[in-house]
Amino acid sequence: DIQMTQSPSTLSASVGDRVTITCRASQSISSWLAWYQQKPGKAPKLLIYKASSLESGVPSRFSGSGSGTEFTLTISSLQPDDFATYYCQQYNSYWGAFGQGTKVEIK
Amino acid sequence: EVQLVQSGAEVKKPGESLKISCKGSGYSFTSYWIGWVRQMPGKGLEWMGIIYPGDSDTRYSPSFQGQVTISADKSISTAYLQWSSLKASDTAMYYCARIRGSGKFDYWGQGTLVTVSS
Repeated sequence: DIQMTQSPSTLSASVGDRVTITCRASQSISSWLAWYQQKPGKAPKLLIYKASSLESGVPSRFSGSGSGTEFTLTISSLQPDDFATYYCQQYNSYWGAFGQGTKVEIK
Repeated sequence: EVQLVQSGAEVKKPGESLKISCKGSGYSFTSYWIGWVRQMPGKGLEWMGIIYPGDSDTRYSPSFQGQVTISADKSISTAYLQWSSLKASDTAMYYCARIRGSGKFDYWGQGTLVTVSS
């Protein structure tokens, strides 16, 4: 099985900060990586797919990069609505696994 | 508008059986895979398995194989997740989600909270 590891587990940041979250795969997944945002008591929301494609309706301050085994999610200027938990997910041929999550907290 | 509407919260005792549902609307239900995701209290997301309602092709994570059964009734655009004998460790929020492309979840249900307690 492919394992996904995110870092950090928790991140403290202020409004306006540039924030980067890393996701590593235990083996190459090409660009088959998605990023989700989850707020307390809500279902996750798709932000990025195929490593760097922005889902429709998602603000352009979110971006993704990487391929192979190392990927990043960047929020260019953190907004109050962005404090949440973020998950990466590898997907390939309809198999999937999530990272353990990164909680973005207010500093 | 694409919608996935899940059945309501359940409280069960260990050893009981349970089947929760996920009804799709606003799109061709038989043309997209549907997946199930577990979230235990205070924990992360776990990919459980998926089903293609068009032909009921089903795939399970090794962690959940044999522990749950995923099914679908395309005549009523509904997918199901069921247990034959619940354990306390099955207490969690369960989400269904539509799969677009080769595995990303683009639309999610609101979640079904399952509580298993004696």
